[in-house]
Amino acid sequence: GAVVSQHPSWVICKSGTSVKIECRSLDFQATTMFWYRQFPKQSLMLMATSNEGSKATYEQGVEKDKFLINHASLTLSTLTVTSAHPEDSSFYICSAKGSLAGAPGYFGPGTRLTVL
Amino acid sequence: QKEVEQNSGPLSVPEGAIASLNCTYSDRVSQSFFWYRQYSGKSPELIMSIYSNGDKEDGRFTAQLNKASQYVSLLIRDSQPSDSATYLCAVNPGNQFYFGTGTSLTVIP
Repeated sequence: GAVVSQHPSWVICKSGTSVKIECRSLDFQATTMFWYRQFPKQSLMLMATSNEGSKATYEQGVEKDKFLINHASLTLSTLTVTSAHPEDSSFYICSAKGSLAGAPGYFGPGTRLTVL
Repeated sequence: QKEVEQNSGPLSVPEGAIASLNCTYSDRVSQSFFWYRQYSGKSPELIMSIYSNGDKEDGRFTAQLNKASQYVSLLIRDSQPSDSATYLCAVNPGNQFYFGTGTSLTVIP
């Protein structure tokens, strides 16, 4: 089956620092990747959609200068949380989709970010 | 109106029973439908895809799709305590996915 990895699985950082999260599709080419955030006991919240080689499309209310997304290859997308603050503490999950119409999105295992 | 609606539950069933999870969607363009399972503290995992009207069976899981009624369901037969999780319905019009808020299922031993 399709496998998506994320690194790191958890990270603790000080307020004001930047954190980079990597999302890789290991056995398929992901033309589209999605980044989600999920707070405890809440639903998935889509942050942005990125297509390989293009700028990401951000959802309303998501600061694109704070959450930098790069989708430089068909197997790698990164999310950088810049100048992180405690309110950015959350579970960040990526999802990757292949090029075939109707292909499902496969989720990475998620990254738990704690900002002190 | 939300794109995808699910009963948030919680839904409780005894072990061995059939759990029935329902989902309605608003976009008639949608052609691809998915069910994901999410355990507490984990990311969602794909358990079923369905594209055509009717039933699709995979082990203890059966997905049912009715495009005319804009309705998709998931049946879990012989429910096990390990099936206790939140089940997310997703529809895929084009290159986006729209998720329901999920139904929390508890299987009671």
